[in-house]
Amino acid sequence: EVQLVESGGGLVQPGGSLRLSCAASGFTVSSNYMSWVRQAPGKGLEWVSVIYSGGSTYYADSVKGRFTISRHNSKNTLYLQMNSLRAEDTAVYYCARGAYGSGIFQHWGQGTLVTVSS
Amino acid sequence: DIQMTQSPSSLSASVGDRVTITCQASQDISNYLNWYQQKPGKAPKLLIYDASNLETGVPSRFSGSGSGTDFTFTISSLQPEDIATYYCQQYDNLPNTFGGGTKVEIK
Repeated sequence: EVQLVESGGGLVQPGGSLRLSCAASGFTVSSNYMSWVRQAPGKGLEWVSVIYSGGSTYYADSVKGRFTISRHNSKNTLYLQMNSLRAEDTAVYYCARGAYGSGIFQHWGQGTLVTVSS
Repeated sequence: DIQMTQSPSSLSASVGDRVTITCQASQDISNYLNWYQQKPGKAPKLLIYDASNLETGVPSRFSGSGSGTDFTFTISSLQPEDIATYYCQQYDNLPNTFGGGTKVEIK
């Protein structure tokens, strides 16, 4: 059974950093299209970043230069390093697995809340 | 970036009603269009992929159609458990963009 479990969220001051983790089971992270999607309180879904099986990475303009997506193959875990955090980064962050190596988000984690506030 | 315009933003319907949601892309996305259901406090759930393919295990009252720029999502007979917010999402280009969502309530 495919399972994704996020962790690492919390309260951080503006300008601070946080690293989110997404532990996967039932499949191999490094062989899949893996994304982060976020949802600000009471708002819609916003795609944040992707790492392809080949290792290429892409980011939304809103986080480019501040966030870094990566993976640890032996831990079968996806990460999102978030630096220079802003109030507008406050959201629930979901990791998602893309089916067929594409942006069909077939499996999602339960989400982890990041709050950026002083 | 491709903009996804979803309408209506909310609707109220009776149990058993047919419910239709539309999604328009700002450019041709072929059939690279998915539909998700999200219940409060929960992660989104994939219902329809590639515009019209029903995800395994999803009830057949859910369906999707369309290609190019105009897409439709239908619940043929609304059930109480269908109360949720529904999102369309394109994956033709990065960034993968979502529609603004449609909140479905029971009248």
